[in-house]
Amino acid sequence: GDSVTQMEGPVTLSEEAFLTINCTYTATGYPSLFWYVQYPGEGLQLLLKATKADDKGSNKGFEATYRKETTSFHLEKGSVQVSDSAVYFCALKSGAGGTSYGKLTFGQGTILTVHP
Amino acid sequence: GAVVSQHPSWVICKSGTSVKIECRSLDFQATTMFWYRQFPKQSLMLMATSNEGSKATYEQGVEKDKFLINHASLTLSTLTVTSAHPEDSSFYICSPWDSYTFGSGTRLTVV
Repeated sequence: GDSVTQMEGPVTLSEEAFLTINCTYTATGYPSLFWYVQYPGEGLQLLLKATKADDKGSNKGFEATYRKETTSFHLEKGSVQVSDSAVYFCALKSGAGGTSYGKLTFGQGTILTVHP
Repeated sequence: GAVVSQHPSWVICKSGTSVKIECRSLDFQATTMFWYRQFPKQSLMLMATSNEGSKATYEQGVEKDKFLINHASLTLSTLTVTSAHPEDSSFYICSPWDSYTFGSGTRLTVV
C-alpha cells in the first residue's frame, strides 16, 4: 500500500538557519504530494502541494520539489523564524489507478522548534 | 480548496457517554468524507470513509459499532463516538474526498 516516510525529529534550529525535512514515499498510480503544518492545539493547514513530477510547491518561503526518480518531496526553507515552530506532516494522495484513490496517507510528522 | 466546517472544536465527556462530531461542507457537495484520528504526538490515521446515502467503510482495527458514521446529505457527515472511554481521547478531523483541505478538528477528552 501507499506509505510516507518522514525524517524523524525533533528538529531544533536557531532563527535564520536553513531547514530541510526529508520525505520519501511509496505509491501506486500518480500521487499528489503535500506538506501540512500543525501549530499547537490547532488543526492542519496546507502549506504547499505538488501534483505531478518536477512540480515545485512553494508558500511562505517554504519549498518542495516533486522528484519522481527519487520518490521524494523534501521540505526546505532558507531562513526559519521562531513563528515556524510547529509540527510538519508530509502527505500523499493517491491518484487514479492507485489502490487508495482520494485518501491521504501521512508521514509520522516532524516537530520543528526554532530558537531566537 | 473546499471549505469544511467541523464542530465542536473540543469536547470533554464522561466515560460511557456518546459524543457527536459534525463535519459540514460549506461551498460544495461532498459525496464522500474521510475521517482521521490523531493520538497525542502521533500522525493522522484514516479511520473510516463516509459515503452519502450508503454505509461507511472502516479501516482495519476500527470498531464500526463504536464509531458510528452518518452521511445523510451531501453537506453533512457525522461521527458519533459511542460509549466513549479514555482511550478514545484523540483529535478527530475530517476531509472531503478529492480535496486537500480539512475541517478544523475536534479534540475529544474522555474522563
